Amino acid sequence: DTGVSQDPRHKITKRGQNVTFRCDPISEHNRLYWYRQTLGQGPEFLTYFQNEAQLEKSRLLSDRFSAERPKGSFSTLEIQRTEQGDSAMYLCASNKGGSTDTQYFGPGTRLTVL
Amino acid sequence: DQQVKQNSPSLSVQEGRISILNCDYTNSMFDYFLWYKKYPAEGPTFLISISSIKDKNEDGRFTVFLNKSAKHLSLHIVPSQPGDSAVYFCAAPRWGGSQGNLIFGKGTKLSVKP
Repeated sequence: DTGVSQDPRHKITKRGQNVTFRCDPISEHNRLYWYRQTLGQGPEFLTYFQNEAQLEKSRLLSDRFSAERPKGSFSTLEIQRTEQGDSAMYLCASNKGGSTDTQYFGPGTRLTVL
Repeated sequence: DQQVKQNSPSLSVQEGRISILNCDYTNSMFDYFLWYKKYPAEGPTFLISISSIKDKNEDGRFTVFLNKSAKHLSLHIVPSQPGDSAVYFCAAPRWGGSQGNLIFGKGTKLSVKP
């Protein structure tokens, strides 16, 4: 399967714990995006990378959130001191970054904070 | 501020009939639009897109129409099939143009009944 993959698919954690998610984009894609989706809403942009550079961050990305893409390939999203409001589906997408280039999404990581 | 609006949370149609999903936008900078389909427990899947230089784009059973003066677009599915039952999201690049992070509507849940 050469699509976008995310790990884990599900994560249950207790409030106050740290969690980390991983995204592996399609291999030749140099842009990688993180979105969050809550119930009844569409995906909301969090941040994106071109290669290893983090080029844009949403106001939704509080200081408890950090994302990295150290070698321009896979990316990690870490949430520190999780809160119940962090419960959501975290989606990763990738593309080549050219003109009219569609973003391809992974299956997401469902986070539940108890 | 909801710049991309899908005002119908749900739509039910009979198999073989036409499904029409609507989307409105408020930002005149938007000139490229995408439709994604999402099944439960999966990430969004790209369906079809349209550039503002066109007023129609067709791909098999799916056609998207764009009315720039009304800031309105619609997705037509003809004929509808039970496998089309999913949540459909309208999206546009936040900063205009045809790439970059996307703003999504809240989605419309389509149910196609056999």
